[in-house]
Amino acid sequence: QKEVEQDPGPLSVPEGAIVSLNCTYSNSAFQYFMWYRQYSRKGPELLMYTYSSGNKEDGRFTAQVDKSSKYISLFIRDSQPSDSATYLCAMRRNIYNNNDMRFGAGTRLTVKP
Amino acid sequence: DAGITQSPRYKITETGRQVTLMCHQTWSHSYMFWYRQDLGHGLRLIYYSAAADITDKGEVPDGYVVSRSKTENFPLTLESATRSQTSVYFCASSEGAALNTGELFFGEGSRLTVL
Repeated sequence: QKEVEQDPGPLSVPEGAIVSLNCTYSNSAFQYFMWYRQYSRKGPELLMYTYSSGNKEDGRFTAQVDKSSKYISLFIRDSQPSDSATYLCAMRRNIYNNNDMRFGAGTRLTVKP
Repeated sequence: DAGITQSPRYKITETGRQVTLMCHQTWSHSYMFWYRQDLGHGLRLIYYSAAADITDKGEVPDGYVVSRSKTENFPLTLESATRSQTSVYFCASSEGAALNTGELFFGEGSRLTVL
């Protein structure tokens, strides 16, 4: 069983829709949770960062962490064609071990005009 | 505005050949990483380096060699390429642990095909 599970999609939605992307994980030691966005033929870039449980909002994006269920989500409101990308969840146990980042497989999202 | 650059961006080679992927960063970040990205597996860590002359294995190090003689460079060598090493390789860097929010800064990737 993988430490981090993420539905690869693909997910296709119309412009303006609310998008929900999710990951589950098995290691309860993970405390730092991230979402990276990766455009086609580019490297991933950090989109959202959260520590422990709770919500974090940044513009149209909301990251949610439920440690009791080992489940994290990224919500995109009023989705735009420019949001079309692959979204990777990532998590780590602490900020001191740089080698313990674990990534999900990524969900490919297409937002149609 | 250089950031982190990888070369070559695309490479086709044959089984058994040696291949070196280059990575250069201009931020003076302490940490550098090599990941491979494959369908269904996401990003997997091959090797990382905490500083010049300090390297360590990641999740999938077999068949790869790294070195870091200078802070800004972190080349990855496939000593004898195999078809299973066909992948997209990403170099990344990050600041030291005390400043580390978990953000990795990635290059644009090197797409390697082994025939």
